[in-house]
Amino acid sequence: NAGVTQTPKFRVLKTGQSMTLLCAQDMNHEYMYWYRQDPGMGLRLIHYSVGEGTTAKGEVPDGYNVSRLKKQNFLLGLESAAPSQTSVYFCASSYQTTLEQYFGPGTRLTVT
Amino acid sequence: AQSVTQLDSQVPVFEEAPVELRCNYSSSVSVYLFWYVQYPNQGLQLLLKYLSGSTLVKGINGFEAEFNKSQTSFHLRKPSVHISDTAEYFCAVSEVRTGGFKTIFGAGTRLFVKA
Repeated sequence: NAGVTQTPKFRVLKTGQSMTLLCAQDMNHEYMYWYRQDPGMGLRLIHYSVGEGTTAKGEVPDGYNVSRLKKQNFLLGLESAAPSQTSVYFCASSYQTTLEQYFGPGTRLTVT
Repeated sequence: AQSVTQLDSQVPVFEEAPVELRCNYSSSVSVYLFWYVQYPNQGLQLLLKYLSGSTLVKGINGFEAEFNKSQTSFHLRKPSVHISDTAEYFCAVSEVRTGGFKTIFGAGTRLFVKA
């Protein structure tokens, strides 16, 4: 039982490049989330999903897209990376939206 | 509007001393409350949660928290800290309501335990 895993762990991008972050969970959770963590700002929700094939915007969705083609996977895409997207990205999942979330180990992204 | 305030951004404390990390929230509906811990270079993991029942909640690693509805607070306490408790702690609040999704995380409190 791996819980929530994220790929890759680290990435450096040049401005304008694109990439996809992969999140996978093996707990059969319906709900999945993408957050970014910046110093002094806690966790901010980017996008979330309430089930396979459904996604919704969170607090800071601009510049990101997501897809949930399979229940266990939740992908976060950056189409044209900007330095402001330098951050640590966390994926999480939960059984219900109001219950505890299980977090992945994070992806540290640097955009130069 | 729902909000979560962690009143201290950093808390330095000596080993074996007690510690309290403060969390206040605002919400117009019933809430579930959580404390998460983040060790360096790791994801968040649940310390404890309040859903209903007793307002004193015990979690892992000797931590406990008390839900105070009148003061809208959920402060985290430990009677005697260890070096290994050095980490960042996040308070989170989920509004209980039909439809929609609303979990908000505080900005975090960095606990630094000194020898």
